[in-house]
Amino acid sequence: DAMVIQNPRYQVTQFGKPVTLSCSQTLNHNVMYWYQQKSSQAPKLLFHYYDKDFNNEADTPDNFQSRRPNTSFCFLDIRSPGLGDAAMYLCATSRDHDKQYFGPGTRLTVT
Amino acid sequence: GESVGLHLPTLSVQEGDNSIINCAYSNSASDYFIWYKQESGKGPQFIIDIRSNMDKRQGQRVTVLLNKTVKHLSLQIAATQPGDSAVYFCAERMAGNNRKLIWGLGTSLAVNP
Repeated sequence: DAMVIQNPRYQVTQFGKPVTLSCSQTLNHNVMYWYQQKSSQAPKLLFHYYDKDFNNEADTPDNFQSRRPNTSFCFLDIRSPGLGDAAMYLCATSRDHDKQYFGPGTRLTVT
Repeated sequence: GESVGLHLPTLSVQEGDNSIINCAYSNSASDYFIWYKQESGKGPQFIIDIRSNMDKRQGQRVTVLLNKTVKHLSLQIAATQPGDSAVYFCAERMAGNNRKLIWGLGTSLAVNP
């Protein structure tokens, strides 16, 4: 009965090689978020979709892109990963910016 | 045990004791507050939330207190158990068009058996 699912749980990519992380939800929530979290820090919001409307945070690098083909799925694309992009990537969902439900995260390693 | 959750300190308590984790929030216009628990290698897990028209809310073994006068939020955990060991984050949500969460720095809770 998982509600927010992230795949894969662990991803290893090479420096500069594009990578896509995926998130799906069974909650039928209209808002989906992508966060980046580095060790011992709070999650940092990259962007979110409110329905089909994409909302980028001002300090999110252009290297990070997102797609939401339907209500249930959202993807995070990192076009040219650098060593500094190694982190935990968290997907979350909510109904109208109410309580956010998080997935288990994808741990990205860049070699 | 009690701690201020601004610099990721570690709060160490004995099993069975009550824990108090504190959080100072930044914006008097925030209308919603939430506590998350995050275990190592996992995503944040919702614990309890409170809206700005309330000053106290209770859950199972947890209580959140909101003091809007001094912009302070606290999480009380009764009879702390080893399974409560985790990092705890508070977050506030601003009223208005920008509804994103503003996160505190986190407090690490260690429960000694």
